Amino acid sequence: DGGITQSPKYLFRKEGQNVTLSCEQNLNHDAMYWYRQDPGQGLRLIYYSQIVNDFQKGDIAEGYSVSREKKESFPLTVTSAQKNPTAFYLCASSTSPGTVNTEAFFGQGTRLTVV
Amino acid sequence: QQQVKQSPQSLIVQKGGISIINCAYENTAFDYFPWYQQFPGKGPALLIAIRPDVSEKKEGRFTISFNKSAKQFSLHIMDSQPGDSATYFCAASINRVKAAGNKLTFGGGTRVLVKP
Repeated sequence: DGGITQSPKYLFRKEGQNVTLSCEQNLNHDAMYWYRQDPGQGLRLIYYSQIVNDFQKGDIAEGYSVSREKKESFPLTVTSAQKNPTAFYLCASSTSPGTVNTEAFFGQGTRLTVV
Repeated sequence: QQQVKQSPQSLIVQKGGISIINCAYENTAFDYFPWYQQFPGKGPALLIAIRPDVSEKKEGRFTISFNKSAKQFSLHIMDSQPGDSATYFCAASINRVKAAGNKLTFGGGTRVLVKP
């Protein structure tokens, strides 16, 4: 089955610790995205990538970092600089902008909690 | 800056009734307007989407109405069912320009509860 796989489903982070969230897709999509969702709120864009080895900051990139070494993978690192990291993190992918069908497909999310 | 405003925040409707969710946007460069459905603990899934060259799109019980001049669009769920109970998000993006990255800007979400 084609889709987006996020792991782990639940993640606990200690104060001052960096953690990495995994996102893998087998849809052959060029573009990948990371969103953050807080309770009762919409999704806010953290980072996005349109092509391998290139990525751009979204609206709330501070305290986060990403890499795009492979088309299929777009891991997100939540660094100790992110002061309020407890949230639901969603990864998405889509075909390149400008194509006909650019539906964004989402993974099942990772819930990160600071302990 | 909240570029897409969604209302209401929550909605309770009886089974068989109509659920109506409204969104307004500011950026006239937006050219793709999808609606997503999200169940608790799950990722959002595309429900229906519209482009600004049409004023209405219907798929089954779900209809998008689009008013370009007012910069508003809405989702109507006809004959609402308990299984429709979920959170619905409107979104907008600039799709025709590759440099824009097709980034989705989301509304704040509407939690819909359909009572049996």
